[in-house]
Amino acid sequence: KQEVTQIPAALSVPEGENLVLNCSFTDSAIYNLQWFRQDPGKGLTSLLLIQSSQREQTSGRLNASLDKSSGRSTLYIAASQPGDSATYLCAVYTGANSKLTFGKGITLSVRP
Amino acid sequence: DTGVSQDPRHKITKRGQNVTFRCDPISEHNRLYWYRQTLGQGPEFLTYFQNEAQLEKSRLLSDRFSAERPKGSFSTLEIQRTEQGDSAMYLCASSSTGGFEQFFGPGTRLTVL
Repeated sequence: KQEVTQIPAALSVPEGENLVLNCSFTDSAIYNLQWFRQDPGKGLTSLLLIQSSQREQTSGRLNASLDKSSGRSTLYIAASQPGDSATYLCAVYTGANSKLTFGKGITLSVRP
Repeated sequence: DTGVSQDPRHKITKRGQNVTFRCDPISEHNRLYWYRQTLGQGPEFLTYFQNEAQLEKSRLLSDRFSAERPKGSFSTLEIQRTEQGDSAMYLCASSSTGGFEQFFGPGTRLTVL
């Protein structure tokens, strides 16, 4: 059974700091990996999708990497801003039906 | 707006009542997924449709839950005899065949009193 772990559960940083969010998964037989952002009480916003054949994806200040063999992914946020405060969820696509298995998320707070 | 939509956005009900949620996927997306998210947890898979066929159901989907996608377009999720433990955010997502990326709706927040 696939399990996705995100540690720590919460993180508080000062504005402007570069930071790395970690994600690990137990079964390396994944199709793709996706990072989401979730604001309190809201749905999920897709940030980056990394296909299994890729090593990384970039969008603006965000960069996500994938190492399937070690079962790890990282989300790098450059020059963090208070508007980045949210919960960041990592999810992997597994199985023939491509359902997503999520971690519990990392709640990020960026202090002005 | 061509994104995934869900209705209602919020639902408050009393224990024992039945509730029904609706999801409208992105047009021409033939895959549709339901997930449930409780406080402090990541979303958990409930069920999956390919067109109108329900191809997978999680063990989380007890006999009180039923989902349909009658014409391969919108989907409904019904919970019968609601319990306080059913209180959660119910999320719907859709994707196209051959494309893995799932696009999520805003969710329906259910509160069972």
